[in-house]
Amino acid sequence: GNSVTQMEGPVTLSEEAFLTINCTYTATGYPSLFWYVQYPGEGLQLLLKATKADDKGSNKGFEATYRKETTSFHLEKGSVQVSDSAVYFCALSGYVSGGYQKVTFGTGTKLQVIP
Amino acid sequence: DAGVTQSPTHLIKTRGQQVTLRCSPKSGHDTVSWYQQALGQGPQFIFQYYEEEERQRGNFPDRFSGHQFPNYSSELNVNALLLGDSALYLCASSANVVPLHFGNGTRLTVT
Repeated sequence: GNSVTQMEGPVTLSEEAFLTINCTYTATGYPSLFWYVQYPGEGLQLLLKATKADDKGSNKGFEATYRKETTSFHLEKGSVQVSDSAVYFCALSGYVSGGYQKVTFGTGTKLQVIP
Repeated sequence: DAGVTQSPTHLIKTRGQQVTLRCSPKSGHDTVSWYQQALGQGPQFIFQYYEEEERQRGNFPDRFSGHQFPNYSSELNVNALLLGDSALYLCASSANVVPLHFGNGTRLTVT
């Protein structure tokens, strides 16, 4: 079945540091890929998405490129801020038996940015 | 434009009891999915509703059931609650399947 593997957290960075959160996936066919962010006490918010190979999703300074050859969708940001502290989830949408799409999430990576 | 709204925000129940959680989707969305998020884990898919029918289901027992109403709102019911059912329950709506738009969830505590 489809699956998503994220790097273990927590990740602790100083403000203005470079961020990379690794995400790899296993899926049949051509899934769409997503990054969601969850702030304390809230639901998940869509951060960015990519629907086909070599697409780059971007939003609020975050970027991720859909790499089919390495089945990866790593999240990057050039300069993190304290306000970026949250839990980040990588997810894919792929077809399952019955012809329906299903969204599968990784376990999440907690990011803590210190001033 | 209201996003996805869930009620209640918090709930405390005793083992063996039954609970009903409610969700109103984002305007224009016709598909509702429910997820269970245990502490420190990613969301686990429970089931998805479209046109008032359960379209697909994850690996959850029959104690978990749901309903979608003609106005696209949805309920999640859990019978015979276990301690392990304690979690954050997230509702997500969409037009088509993706992208999902999430509510802030209902925190269920079973004692």
